[in-house]
Amino acid sequence: SQQGEEDPQALSIQEGENATMNCSYKTSINNLQWYRQNSGRGLVHLILIRSNEREKHSGRLRVTLDTSKKSSSLLITASRAADTASYFCATGTGTASKLTFGTGTRLQVTL
Amino acid sequence: EAQVTQNPRYLITVTGKKLTVTCSQNMNHEYMSWYRQDPGLGLRQIYYSMNVEVTDKGDVPEGYKVSRKEKRNFPLILESPSPNQTSLYFCASSFARILTDTQYFGPGTRLTVL
Repeated sequence: SQQGEEDPQALSIQEGENATMNCSYKTSINNLQWYRQNSGRGLVHLILIRSNEREKHSGRLRVTLDTSKKSSSLLITASRAADTASYFCATGTGTASKLTFGTGTRLQVTL
Repeated sequence: EAQVTQNPRYLITVTGKKLTVTCSQNMNHEYMSWYRQDPGLGLRQIYYSMNVEVTDKGDVPEGYKVSRKEKRNFPLILESPSPNQTSLYFCASSFARILTDTQYFGPGTRLTVL
């Protein structure tokens, strides 16, 4: 089963609204990252939050991490049509030299 | 421009015909990896390499080979492709070998095996 699982699987909002996506994971992590993927294209790194951090901001993005609940959320404020994409969380664990990705949230922002 | 490139971007082949997907990065990254992406399954790691001549299996290595003879290149080899290897493949690289740092992804290779 996936280490990271995003919720919801799909989200449709109007431009200007905020979008919130959640990620739950199973094992202890070193860090958690969020990536965006436009349809059929490569993933683009958005933000990384380390296990000793609780909140991080980058432009219109806000990420929180709750290690006690093994969950993270990604908030996109004042969404734009260009934010339409799939969003993935990825976790880095222990000394493993890899990221484990979830199955993604598909965000649709309509005008 | 810092980037990860993959070739080809699209490939249709037949069962059993050996193929290679190339991956190259110009950022002097030590760490490189290959993923496949399938609907409903997210991204799964196939192989990774922590440095030249150092490679290791990821979560789904069966049916794939890799090599890392040069730091910048990390080709993915399918010796005898089968239809269940039809997928979207991504190469990625990162600077740090530990703490699973930010990964930079290539544009993807869409492979169809008939």
